Amino acid sequence: NAGVMQNPRHLVRRRGQEARLRCSPMKGHSHVYWYRQLPEEGLKFMVYLQKENIIDESGMPKERFSAEFPKEGPSILRIQQVVRGDSAAYFCASSPRGSETQYFGPGTRLLVL
Amino acid sequence: AQSVTQLDSQVPVFEEAPVELRCNYSSSVSVYLFWYVQYPNQGLQLLLKYLSGSTLVKGINGFEAEFNKSQTSFHLRKPSVHISDTAEYFCAVKAGGGNKLTFGTGTQLKVEL
Repeated sequence: NAGVMQNPRHLVRRRGQEARLRCSPMKGHSHVYWYRQLPEEGLKFMVYLQKENIIDESGMPKERFSAEFPKEGPSILRIQQVVRGDSAAYFCASSPRGSETQYFGPGTRLLVL
Repeated sequence: AQSVTQLDSQVPVFEEAPVELRCNYSSSVSVYLFWYVQYPNQGLQLLLKYLSGSTLVKGINGFEAEFNKSQTSFHLRKPSVHISDTAEYFCAVKAGGGNKLTFGTGTQLKVEL
């Protein structure tokens, strides 16, 4: 059973460009979570999704950030018009329905120049 | 809301010595507790978790942790560390019925010869 997959692993963008981060949950997992890790800090919750639904987006910045988890395909975290402060590691986690445990992917390290 | 405090940002220890990484949490509701390990430039790997039952939980790689409700602590221990245990360790809490993990700021464990 493959783990949580994220791609790309590293992404470089210039200020003002768009960043798209993809996450494929573990097989059988219907819940996806996105977290952000800024340098020298712990992980901060951003958003929790189930298929075709955003359940909790209380940690998402109000502007430029969006997330989706379509019926088919991976979950996408989209950052529009990136700024240097968006440079961070973005982690996706997944869990099966009814489970308290989240399993993390390897992360996407975003660098904004 | 929940919060997690990891007071030690760095813990140096010699190989084969015992180690304890401290974690204290704050919550007004019942919680589930987790320890994750992060190796450089990698994702988070679940070490162990407390959901219910015995307050002493054993995890992978010889680690264990004890849930102490009265002291709101969940300290991580290993009786004899190895060089390969050098990594960052994160304590996390999840409210019963909640969705997101709240992480501490992490403890960098450095095992020296």
